[in-house]
Amino acid sequence: EIVLTQSPGTLSLSPGERATLSCRASQSVPSSYLAWYQQKPGQAPRLLIYGASSRASGIPDRFGGRGSGTDFTLTISRLEPEDFAVYYCQQYGISMGTFGQGTKVEIK
Amino acid sequence: QVQLQQWGPGLLKPSETLSLTCAAYDGSFSGYFWSWIRQPPGKGLEWIGEITHSGGTNYNPSLKSRVTISVDTSKNQFSLKLSFVTAADTAVYYCARGRKGFYGNWFDPWGQGTLVTVSS
Repeated sequence: EIVLTQSPGTLSLSPGERATLSCRASQSVPSSYLAWYQQKPGQAPRLLIYGASSRASGIPDRFGGRGSGTDFTLTISRLEPEDFAVYYCQQYGISMGTFGQGTKVEIK
Repeated sequence: QVQLQQWGPGLLKPSETLSLTCAAYDGSFSGYFWSWIRQPPGKGLEWIGEITHSGGTNYNPSLKSRVTISVDTSKNQFSLKLSFVTAADTAVYYCARGRKGFYGNWFDPWGQGTLVTVSS
């Protein structure tokens, strides 16, 4: 089973600042398997990024993804008030899916 | 745009069988991987398993012995059964549409979630 480790666990930032979230896989993952989600309290996760770097429909361009192999990154260029939430990376392969444990982006 | 609506009992006793159903509205049912994902209170997401419209399944090895996912293509519905539940199975259960293809693999959309509590 591929384990995804996200860091940091919590990121304390102010609106307007840049957020950089990391997702490291225990073994190499095809970029096409890697996606990012945003989850707010009481809501289902929302797809942000698929294929490691493609934004889902309706996602603002302040959200960006990059990476390959075992290291992937989600960047939020300038935090808006609605961006404070928990973010999960996911790898979804031929027969199995796993998620990272999440990074909480909180208001400083 | 497809929408997922899920339903099922929210309270179970230990050793009972969890049973949830999810219906897909306003979209194609074939060509996707219809999935169940759960989230214990205050914790992260765990993929449970998936089924295709033709009935092919994949399960999380950690749950495989207790999980059955089935599909009813006549109603565009799929269901989850998890047997012999314990308090550790208390979670919000989500259904989701999985997509695997050239552009990538992801889950979208998701159902609204069902909180299932296991308590004696």
